[in-house]
Amino acid sequence: AQSVTQPDIHITVSEGASLELRCNYSYGATPYLFWYVQSPGQGLQLLLKYFSGDTLVQGIKGFEAEFKRSQSSFNLRKPSVHWSDAAEYFCAVGPNTGGFKTIFGAGTRLFVKA
Amino acid sequence: EAEVAQSPRYKITEKSQAVAFWCDPISGHATLYWYRQILGQGPELLVQFQDESVVDDSQLPKDRFSAERLKGVDSTLKIQPAELGDSAMYLCASISRESGTLGTDTQYFGPGTRLTVL
Repeated sequence: AQSVTQPDIHITVSEGASLELRCNYSYGATPYLFWYVQSPGQGLQLLLKYFSGDTLVQGIKGFEAEFKRSQSSFNLRKPSVHWSDAAEYFCAVGPNTGGFKTIFGAGTRLFVKA
Repeated sequence: EAEVAQSPRYKITEKSQAVAFWCDPISGHATLYWYRQILGQGPELLVQFQDESVVDDSQLPKDRFSAERLKGVDSTLKIQPAELGDSAMYLCASISRESGTLGTDTQYFGPGTRLTVL
């Protein structure tokens, strides 16, 4: 069965420090992978997505993610965190064929301290 | 920039009452989704529309939930009667079609409706 695991419920980093949010997926075929960010009380905004090709994907707001098929992982990274990055981050997996049913992880809440 | 609109943003109701949420997707987006997001969890798909037709409602509690998209544009999600466990954020999303290829679609989410059932 398809599933997405985000092992960290919450993470706290200092402003200016680097960030890595973990995501592991279980999927029967080559998946499409996504990272979304959600600010409190808001909808989800797409940060980046991976479909094929280069396994290092660049997104908005300075985020990047690396697809590692051997580890079934799609970790999100940012070299220097800003206070405005404090939010909830969701990893998601979808099929590479029509139908496009997306499965979301439970999310990781990011706290940024001054 | 075009956005997915949802209303109301917040709704408080008592259990056994009926509630309805409205979503207006981005113009031209044929595919529309309703998700439920319980506090502390990721969104879970309730129903997917392609134009006015339901594509997937396997996770929709049909004894109390209904969804429609009569003209294939805006959509309404209804709960009757509401139960305490229905308290959640209800998110609507729609899809653009990039390069005419399924699978590369990007979902655009609305701001959600926060439902509290007392």
